[in-house]
Amino acid sequence: QKEVEQNSGPLSVPEGAIASLNCTYSDRGSQSFFWYRQYSGKSPELIMSIYSNGDKEDGRFTAQLNKASQYVSLLIRDSQPSDSATYLCAVNKGSARQLTFGSGTQLTVLP
Amino acid sequence: GAVVSQHPSWVICKSGTSVKIECRSLDFQATTMFWYRQFPKQSLMLMATSNEGSKATYEQGVEKDKFLINHASLTLSTLTVTSAHPEDSSFYICSAIEGGANYGYTFGSGTRLTVV
Repeated sequence: QKEVEQNSGPLSVPEGAIASLNCTYSDRGSQSFFWYRQYSGKSPELIMSIYSNGDKEDGRFTAQLNKASQYVSLLIRDSQPSDSATYLCAVNKGSARQLTFGSGTQLTVLP
Repeated sequence: GAVVSQHPSWVICKSGTSVKIECRSLDFQATTMFWYRQFPKQSLMLMATSNEGSKATYEQGVEKDKFLINHASLTLSTLTVTSAHPEDSSFYICSAIEGGANYGYTFGSGTRLTVV
């Protein structure tokens, strides 16, 4: 079992729709969770971080964390073509300072 | 916000030569930096953790004698790919932490290495 798992996609949604990205992790000791967006040929950029169970909203983005289910998700409302990218879920176990990344989900928002 | 500068952004070198990649934290002190490698259509794989003033910690399967890491100051870490081969061609990305482990993972812009 991979430490951090994501559906590789590709996921396609029409412009204006809600895109839902999912991530599961295996280590119950994980404490910090991050969503990064990566455009082709570029380095990742942080979209959201979440540390507590529940929802965290920032503009069109909402991160959801359920530690009991070891599940973290990212919702993108009113999706735009510029949101088309690969979305990486990353987890930090606290004791280890490095991030462990999922394989990423490729999102395409169709005009 | 925190900025990490990485240079060069791309480099082409001949097989057998060495290439140095620099990663600088511009407006904060980074006691810890991380080096990742990313092959096409794959995710980031951690190569090593670089701590200022001490030896780097390498992940399993990463050759420490081939990928030399130096973190001589709180704002600079370097990765040197020695005796590069075509299979070392990849996208190398550094990351630095500002503050505690849960705060401020900032990535450099990445270096595209092509070994011919």
